[in-house]
Amino acid sequence: GQQVMQIPQYQHVQEGEDFTTYCNSSTTLSNIQWYKQRPGGHPVFLIQLVKSGEVKKQKRLTFQFGEAKKNSSLHITATQTTDVGTYFCAGGSGGADGLTFGKGTHLIIQP
Amino acid sequence: NAGVTQTPKFQVLKTGQSMTLQCAQDMNHNSMYWYRQDPGMGLRLIYYSASEGTTDKGEVPNGYNVSRLNKREFSLRLESAAPSQTSVYFCASRFNRNTEAFFGQGTRLTVV
Repeated sequence: GQQVMQIPQYQHVQEGEDFTTYCNSSTTLSNIQWYKQRPGGHPVFLIQLVKSGEVKKQKRLTFQFGEAKKNSSLHITATQTTDVGTYFCAGGSGGADGLTFGKGTHLIIQP
Repeated sequence: NAGVTQTPKFQVLKTGQSMTLQCAQDMNHNSMYWYRQDPGMGLRLIYYSASEGTTDKGEVPNGYNVSRLNKREFSLRLESAAPSQTSVYFCASRFNRNTEAFFGQGTRLTVV
């Protein structure tokens, strides 16, 4: 597995504001995956990015993979209360299959 | 299609007791994982199994053992539980390193 650093750890936003979380690796990743965990729930897969500079969108969510494949971001436009939860990234490497996660970003939305 | 099933959902142990957490998946996945989740620490990998018959240590293996019983089942054993092992445990599986992982519902373990 690949170690990734994720920031910020916590993010408070007003409903309707935008939100971004970042993942950074010191080494090149083969892919990066993003997961969401609702309070009291289990992590659920959102998306996987594989190509350098790749950008994918899911409704109000935009995922980017850096040109050097060492960083990634998740941006949510106009947050809603349903976006509350913890967002995790997991960086893949060409080596062992251990799936390791960043510490996650807790998104807290104030109505 | 049940996905990933973990048992039990809740457990209270006394210090020194042993127990096994069970995990089974019905998706024909090759890789299976055990994590613990503590406040502020994210998901930490305990052990994983990349294929039937193999297991490898993750970030925090001390105090745990695992068994990949067959392709479907991957169990986690605490031989002598300690209060520091109080946590929420998640099992996950995926077909290979290029595919999404599916998680079980979690086991909330308290060691007193």
